Amino acid sequence: QKEVEQDPGPLSVPEGAIVSLNCTYSNSAFQYFMWYRQYSRKGPELLMYTYSSGNKEDGRFTAQVDKSSKYISLFIRDSQPSDSATYLCAMMIGGQNFVFGPGTRLSVLP
Amino acid sequence: GAVVSQHPSRVICKSGTSVKIECRSLDFQATTMFWYRQFPKQSLMLMATSNEGSKATYEQGVEKDKFLINHASLTLSTLTVTSAHPEDSSFYICSARSGTPQFFGPGTRLTVL
Repeated sequence: QKEVEQDPGPLSVPEGAIVSLNCTYSNSAFQYFMWYRQYSRKGPELLMYTYSSGNKEDGRFTAQVDKSSKYISLFIRDSQPSDSATYLCAMMIGGQNFVFGPGTRLSVLP
Repeated sequence: GAVVSQHPSRVICKSGTSVKIECRSLDFQATTMFWYRQFPKQSLMLMATSNEGSKATYEQGVEKDKFLINHASLTLSTLTVTSAHPEDSSFYICSARSGTPQFFGPGTRLTVL
C-alpha cells in the first residue's frame, strides 16, 4: 500500500461546478497537510496548509482533514477554467518525511 | 507567501557538458532545500535534500557524483548536472522550507542534445 493515495483522474467538470479532490494516507503519524496546484511546466504552488482535523477555508477553496479516517479533501467552489491544473496533496511528520500524492489532473470546461 | 526562484528557467546543452541550476529563497531563510525532477505527466520525484552547510542526502538511485548539490547559504542552493546526457533531459524543480510547508520554484527545463 502506498503511503499516500490519490485518484490521478483526469477529472473533467463544467465551469461553476463544485470540485472535490481527495487523498487517503496510511501513516497516522502525519501531522501537517498541504494542497498544491501545479500548472503544466510550472512548479507547484501552495494552496492550503492545515494541521488539525476540521475545515479551513480560503476564498473558493476549502481544505478538510479527517485524521481518524486518514482522509483529506480539497473543495473548489464555482470552479473556473483557470483552475484546470494538477492538484497534489502532501503531508509531513514534524519537519521531515514530506510525502506527495501522485496528483489529480483537473479540467474545468467552459 | 514565500517566494522561491530558479535560474535558468530553460537550458539547452550538448551531451557531455555540465549545467548548473540555481535555487534561491527570496524572502526567507531556508534551512532545508529539496531538488526534484519531473518527467512529462508524471509526479515529482525527490532527488535530494540539502541542509545549509552540510552534505546533501540523496534518494536511492540518484547518483550523487552526477547531480552535485551545494547549499552554501540559507538562501541559495545549486544543482549541477555533470556530463549531461539526453536521458537527463527533464524538468528540475527546487523547493525550500523554513518551518513546515515547502515552497517551490518555477522549475528549470533541461534539454540535452
